[in-house]
Amino acid sequence: RKEVEQDPGPFNVPEGATVAFNCTYSNSASQSFFWYRQDCRKEPKLLMSVYSSGNEDGRFTAQLNRASQYISLLIRDSKLSDSATYLCVVNNDYKLSFGAGTTVTVRA
Amino acid sequence: DADVTQTPRNRITKTGKRIMLECSQTKGHDRMYWYRQDPGLGLRLIYYSFDVKDINKGEISDGYSVSRQAQAKFSLSLESAIPNQTALYFCATSGVTGAYPETQYFGPGTRLLVL
Repeated sequence: RKEVEQDPGPFNVPEGATVAFNCTYSNSASQSFFWYRQDCRKEPKLLMSVYSSGNEDGRFTAQLNRASQYISLLIRDSKLSDSATYLCVVNNDYKLSFGAGTTVTVRA
Repeated sequence: DADVTQTPRNRITKTGKRIMLECSQTKGHDRMYWYRQDPGLGLRLIYYSFDVKDINKGEISDGYSVSRQAQAKFSLSLESAIPNQTALYFCATSGVTGAYPETQYFGPGTRLLVL
């Protein structure tokens, strides 16, 4: 079983729509969680950390459910510039495990 | 200037050749990492180093070796390249202080093709 699993998508949504997707992780002892964004095989960049209580960063909302071992990301009011692959990332002792990514395409 | 740089950015080599990928960083971070990315598989950790004298194998270290020449430099070598090492390789760094010391910062990647 992969340590981090994501729905690969793609999610094709119109501008202004809301899109949400999840990932699951297998190690219940994982300490921290992140969403990274990757554009077209460029380097991954940190989008946001995921807190146990849930957190927002502008149009992005992340949730963590430790009991069920899943993490979610919701994007409101989608922009064309949100088109990217979103990587779910789990930290275990400063070693990160990456999901394969969920591709989101926002169309005009 | 970029905080994490990788050279070369693209490389084509032949089976059996030895090649080295280099990574340099100006972030002052102690921790450095090498990953490879293959379509549909996500990033997989090859080697990591928490300081100059510390080198550790990741999940897919077979066929690779590393050298931590200084705090700022971490090189990845393929001793005898094979076609299934064709991939996108990323170097990353992380610090030990701050709110999220586990946050990693990535270089731009090296595209390697082994023929």
